[in-house]
Amino acid sequence: DTAVSQTPKYLVTQMGNDKSIKCEQNLGHDTMYWYKQDSKKFLKIMFSYNNKELIINETVPNRFSPKSPDKAHLNLHINSLELGDSAVYFCASSQGLGGMFFGSGTRLTVV
Amino acid sequence: QQPVQSPQAVILREGEDAVINCSSSKALYSVHWYRQKHGEAPVFLMILLKGGEQKGHEKISASFNEKKQQSSLYLTASQLSYSGTYFCGTSGYGGSQGNLIFGKGTKLSVKP
Repeated sequence: DTAVSQTPKYLVTQMGNDKSIKCEQNLGHDTMYWYKQDSKKFLKIMFSYNNKELIINETVPNRFSPKSPDKAHLNLHINSLELGDSAVYFCASSQGLGGMFFGSGTRLTVV
Repeated sequence: QQPVQSPQAVILREGEDAVINCSSSKALYSVHWYRQKHGEAPVFLMILLKGGEQKGHEKISASFNEKKQQSSLYLTASQLSYSGTYFCGTSGYGGSQGNLIFGKGTKLSVKP
């Protein structure tokens, strides 16, 4: 069983489209995250979420929105995609202050 | 604020040792270390919390100097499998302790 799974693995779409990336964790962790890794390999936090609190990185455009139907899922919706959104998006989870477990990533290409 | 890692890249022969440093301009509560191989997800190595030091693996260990706001990752007797990019992630105090800010990474290449 994959601990943190995200789909799709690859996503190619046109500018202006709306897309979603799904993430599920079966570790029973209380916090989930979305990170963006650009072409220079810089890992930048976008959101963190647990049952109580959503923390948004203020630099993230409001075209990006996390949706959490339950504790084990944190999906990422992106509206009006732009070329600069092309990157690898990683979902991750952690319990308390423990280590973070990452999904395998979604490579988003906007054309 | 993003922690600063050094060196940016290092090339080793199998069996050699390496040290990767991570420093922050703000007070740290925890430091995480991760390794990412090309085309894969980052993998958790270890965490160091304020007031403690944790050795995560037999030949990979780390230290945390709270006063200097620095952490170092030590890789001894390197193996080919150690190759990859190493990231430190830091968290400060307050409500977002779990939110890590990652450094730009150190690319480690181990040659036969």
